[in-house]
Amino acid sequence: EIVLTQSPDTLSLSPGERATLSCRASQGVSGSYLAWYQQKPGQPPSLLIYGASSRATGIPDRFSGSGSGTDFSLIISRLEPEDFAVYYCQQYAGSPTFGPGTKVDIK
Amino acid sequence: EVHLVQSAAEVKKPGESLKISCKGSGYSFTSYWIGWVRQMPGKGLEWMGIVYPGDSGTRYSPSFQGQVTISADKSISTAYLQWSSLKASDTAMYYCARGGIYWGGGWGFDYWGQGTLVTVSS
Repeated sequence: EIVLTQSPDTLSLSPGERATLSCRASQGVSGSYLAWYQQKPGQPPSLLIYGASSRATGIPDRFSGSGSGTDFSLIISRLEPEDFAVYYCQQYAGSPTFGPGTKVDIK
Repeated sequence: EVHLVQSAAEVKKPGESLKISCKGSGYSFTSYWIGWVRQMPGKGLEWMGIVYPGDSGTRYSPSFQGQVTISADKSISTAYLQWSSLKASDTAMYYCARGGIYWGGGWGFDYWGQGTLVTVSS
């Protein structure tokens, strides 16, 4: 099983700032089969990024994903008020696993 | 438009059985896998397993194998997650999600249901 770790646990930023979230895998994620999800309180997760860098339908271009192998990143170029949420990475190179999440909150 | 609509919240006692549902619409239900994801209170996401409604084939996370049963009825575009004997530790929100990002070896989830809260308490 591929174990994912995310850092930091919490990121405290102001609207307009840039957010950089990290996801590290215990072994290489073949095919860059890695996704990112956003979850707001009381809501289900929603898909942001798949294939490490492809934005899902309707996702604004301030969200970008990068990485390969064991190290992946999600960047939010300029935080909007609606972006404060918890973000999870998930690998689907094999049996799916999720990272523990990074909470982006308002500073 | 793709929709996954889950059954209502449940309150059960330890030892009772339960089956919750997820009805898909707006797409070819038999052509996409449907997965189940657990979220315990205040915690992260855990993949439980998945079913392909086209042929009812299933795959389970090792952590949930033998603990739950996942199935689908393609005639009514509905997937199910069931327990034969609930425990207090099964208290969680359960989401169904379409495995629309599929390459043959694993699944990413492009559409999610609204969640079903299961509370198990004596």
